[in-house]
Amino acid sequence: DSGVTQTPKHLITATGQRVTLRCSPRSGDLSVYWYQQSLDQGLQFLIQYYNGEERAKGNILERFSAQQFPDLHSELNLSSLELGDSALYFCASSVSGGLAKNIQYFGAGTRLSVL
Amino acid sequence: DAKTTQPTSMDCAEGRAANLPCNHSTISGNEYVYWYRQIHSQGPQYIIHGLKNNETNEMASLIITEDRKSSTLILPHATLRDTAVYYCIGPLLPQGGSEKLVFGKGTKLTVNP
Repeated sequence: DSGVTQTPKHLITATGQRVTLRCSPRSGDLSVYWYQQSLDQGLQFLIQYYNGEERAKGNILERFSAQQFPDLHSELNLSSLELGDSALYFCASSVSGGLAKNIQYFGAGTRLSVL
Repeated sequence: DAKTTQPTSMDCAEGRAANLPCNHSTISGNEYVYWYRQIHSQGPQYIIHGLKNNETNEMASLIITEDRKSSTLILPHATLRDTAVYYCIGPLLPQGGSEKLVFGKGTKLTVNP
């Protein structure tokens, strides 16, 4: 058990809908990262938050947004869903931001199926 | 982003050592190398990291060449549960403070009975 909790485990929805994925980081971790894993793209970094502030953006679509709340949990919002958004979404957390040595611990993921 | 090169797949007999190589020729002096693995769609799992010295923990050993251009992850006594995709991840580039992990395709290790 990594200590990172993601809910829900599975999500099935229709095109055009909006969903919210939730992540609770390990106790004491200030950074939260979101990654997307689809069959053809592998694991791709989406976005990072550090202590409530956006730290970096990766290959995140404009239809997607995220936030980190004062209690440090994070939510990834996916809207106007398309078939191609079907993927595994992982959240990871780490203690620090800004250092070259930084171990990230991953949750079990949310499997999103867009029908 | 720095690139790493790994073989696409490897096989290993159960109980034998699994040696997974990685080339990271663009690494610079103060940058770490990390190894993660992913067991069949589970969340990636941290294994070990190193800078210049060899490292060992309860999961594996990491051997880094003196020029730091390559490393080898060693699972000393592989079990069937070690079947997974192993990712060697080059330095975390603190561009703007982000330590994002850049995953390549990794090495698919199959441990055979």
